[in-house]
Amino acid sequence: GAGVSQSPSNKVTEKGKDVELRCDPISGHTALYWYRQRLGQGLEFLIYFQGNSAPDKSGLPSDRFSAERTGESVSTLTIQRTQQEDSAVYLCASSLVGGGLYNEQFFGPGTRLTVL
Amino acid sequence: KNQVEQSPQSLIILEGKNCTLQCNYTVSPFSNLRWYKQDTGRGPVSLTIMTFSENTKSNGRYTATLDADTKQSSLHITASQLSDSASYICVVSAGSGGYNKLIFGAGTRLAVHP
Repeated sequence: GAGVSQSPSNKVTEKGKDVELRCDPISGHTALYWYRQRLGQGLEFLIYFQGNSAPDKSGLPSDRFSAERTGESVSTLTIQRTQQEDSAVYLCASSLVGGGLYNEQFFGPGTRLTVL
Repeated sequence: KNQVEQSPQSLIILEGKNCTLQCNYTVSPFSNLRWYKQDTGRGPVSLTIMTFSENTKSNGRYTATLDADTKQSSLHITASQLSDSASYICVVSAGSGGYNKLIFGAGTRLAVHP
């Protein structure tokens, strides 16, 4: 595709339910990032995938959060037993390589998660 | 603690006017600084990227400046248009090569009125 796509665009769930968010990166991009953006706040790094290397999970806020990536393609972010504080926009980004001075990250439109 | 602070939080200007957004950062080691534009309901889109050796960089009506000594950056928008209404996010890359983590500011929400 032409850009990073994410689905669903909106997700409303009840507290305690599990949710799964999907990200399709730009074809050929080896690096993939997940961020969380709470209302009125800056983006928070969650997790980073680079090729077949072990992912950097240092930003995941709790063990209820996990993410998987199939090869260098689609990624899913799973939140188990959702809490109201999980309500946020979850953004995915991809880039050609994970490092480098001008590592340009291209962002998807995000998934707006609302936990009731 | 690595931090990026932006001001003002929000700004309203009339179409055709200029404006300047500010960014202060405490990030070490500093790699580069980026300004992103985020339209409502969209992901951020990069406007400029600057390293510590670059003082200014332009992208059309957008001009970013960087003072690495004072750790300040600004984004100047000239002859604003209604389509400039968006959030503008200052992002500092921390690292010394390889994978760099991005530290995001909370953004300045700009509204351009006719």
